[in-house]
Amino acid sequence: GNSVTQMEGPVTLSEEAFLTINCTYTATGYPSLFWYVQYPGEGLQLLLKATKADDKGSNKGFEATYRKETTSFHLEKGSVQVSDSAVYFCALTGGGNKLTFGTGTQLKVEL
Amino acid sequence: DVKVTQSSRYLVKRTGEKVFLECVQDMDHENMFWYRQDPGLGLRLIYFSYDVKMKEKGDIPEGYSVSREKKERFSLILESASTNQTSMYLCASSCSGCSNTGELFFGEGSRLTVL
Repeated sequence: GNSVTQMEGPVTLSEEAFLTINCTYTATGYPSLFWYVQYPGEGLQLLLKATKADDKGSNKGFEATYRKETTSFHLEKGSVQVSDSAVYFCALTGGGNKLTFGTGTQLKVEL
Repeated sequence: DVKVTQSSRYLVKRTGEKVFLECVQDMDHENMFWYRQDPGLGLRLIYFSYDVKMKEKGDIPEGYSVSREKKERFSLILESASTNQTSMYLCASSCSGCSNTGELFFGEGSRLTVL
């Protein structure tokens, strides 16, 4: 079956630091890949997505590239802000509308 | 603005009680989902529905049931609450056959504590 593996957190960074959160997946066929973000006290919201190999999703300064050869979809941001503190979830759908989520990575950004 | 509304943000119930968690979406979405979120386990799918009066088991349906009598409403039912059902419950909806397939819209969550 489908599965998503994320790096464990929490990840603590200073403001303006470079961020990478690793995500690898196992799936049959050609899944679409997603990053969702959950800010404190809120539900999840879509951050970015990629639907085919070599696609790059981007939003709010975050980027992730769909790498089929390494089955990865790592999230990156060049310069994080305190307001980026949240829990980040990698997810995939292999068709239909069901998503499989990773365990989430908490990011804390300090001044 | 699109919205998924969960009726209760915080609930405290006793073991053995019947618990209803309500979710309403105003986007005319066909698909609705219930997840539970636990530290270190991420989101796990309990039940989902692709249409009115239709339901499918997710990965962890034991101890839960659902009801979808109207398109906009999807209820999660704990027939006899147990302490291991203490968790954050997240409702989500999505559109079928849309260009943004796979994008789920989430409610803010219902934190249930079973004593």
